[in-house]
Amino acid sequence: DQQVKQNSPSLSVQEGRISILNCDYTNSMFDYFLWYKKYPAEGPTFLISISSIKDKNEDGRFTVFLNKSAKHLSLHIVPSQPGDSAVYFCAASEHTGGFKTIFGAGTRLFVKA
Amino acid sequence: DSGVTQTPKHLITATGQRVTLRCSPRSGDLSVYWYQQSLDQGLQFLIQYYNGEERAKGNILERFSAQQFPDLHSELNLSSLELGDSALYFCASSARTGGLGGYTFGSGTRLTVV
Repeated sequence: DQQVKQNSPSLSVQEGRISILNCDYTNSMFDYFLWYKKYPAEGPTFLISISSIKDKNEDGRFTVFLNKSAKHLSLHIVPSQPGDSAVYFCAASEHTGGFKTIFGAGTRLFVKA
Repeated sequence: DSGVTQTPKHLITATGQRVTLRCSPRSGDLSVYWYQQSLDQGLQFLIQYYNGEERAKGNILERFSAQQFPDLHSELNLSSLELGDSALYFCASSARTGGLGGYTFGSGTRLTVV
């Protein structure tokens, strides 16, 4: 049962343009949503998060948008840089009891110079 | 260096064997999480400990067990290993039990079962 889905395995974008990574979830009880970036041979690195009470959170070049009615979130990177090339994981957790953060399968982003 | 230390980095073992993966969380973090990543799949949540106590359980097989010690390091024990257990095993830590601050991940232990 995939509660967090990233339907695009890969995305290719030109340097300087916008990268949009999408994520859908099924569990309406999720109240925290996070994005992680992962380079080869390293563990995932936390990037940005959003609470379910907000619909947008911005941190520099990274913005996360949350559409609760559609159970959809997206990560916008603008402008994209070659160093952004990595696998991006969407994650969600439910703030009841212990935190079981559920991760999507990831989207591999290629930023071409 | 993220501050989360996982040992060993690589492990090759035979089917039926037992292995122990070790994790030292970032200094000051009380929560430890274990995840499994198989063949370019997403990270599957296994188990979470907070200050020595189990707090949440995911899709962890009965052949697998974990614990967090008083010094807060954690060990994941995998027994009766099968070929399908070959995967990257990540440990992560956080100050509390989760939330918007995210986790700090180690660089993982690559387990190969032959």
